[in-house]
Amino acid sequence: GDSVTQMEGPVTLSEEAFLTINCTYTATGYPSLFWYVQYPGEGLQLLLKATKADDKGSNKGFEATYRKETTSFHLEKGSVQVSDSAVYFCALSVRQGGFKTIFGAGTRLFVKA
Amino acid sequence: KAGVTQTPRYLIKTRGQQVTLSCSPISGHRSVSWYQQTPGQGLQFLFEYFSETQRNKGNFPGRFSGRQFSNSRSEMNVSTLELGDSALYLCASSSEVTEAFFGQGTRLTVV
Repeated sequence: GDSVTQMEGPVTLSEEAFLTINCTYTATGYPSLFWYVQYPGEGLQLLLKATKADDKGSNKGFEATYRKETTSFHLEKGSVQVSDSAVYFCALSVRQGGFKTIFGAGTRLFVKA
Repeated sequence: KAGVTQTPRYLIKTRGQQVTLSCSPISGHRSVSWYQQTPGQGLQFLFEYFSETQRNKGNFPGRFSGRQFSNSRSEMNVSTLELGDSALYLCASSSEVTEAFFGQGTRLTVV
């Protein structure tokens, strides 16, 4: 079945460090891919998305490229800030009758000042 | 544009009771999905409703049910609560495209 695998956390970085969170997926058909972020005590917010192969999603300095050949959608940011500390979820969405969004397990990021 | 509204934000129930959670989607969104989030299992898909019909269902027991009204508002019901049902329940709404917008969730504690 469809699934998303992302790197386990927690990931701890110093401020201004480079961030990569790996995400790979398995899906039948042509999924859309997403990164969501969850801050403490809140729901999930869409961070960025890509709907077809080679699309690059970007927002707030974060980027991810839809790589169909490697079935990956890795999240990157060149210089993290303390305010980026949160849990990041990689997700895919497929049409199976309705739309079904499948999430990875989430990766907790801690950024130290 | 108002976001997805979930009520209540917090609930404490006793084992064996039942509970109903409510979700009001973004205006114009006809698809509402429900998820359970726990530290051990992560985010798990419960079900999706579209125009009052359940279109997708995850692997949860029949104690978990839902419905959607003609105004797209949705409710989720859990009967015969168990301690393991303690979780953050998230609702997401979307339009005909695939992007989902989430509410802040209902934190359910079963004691």
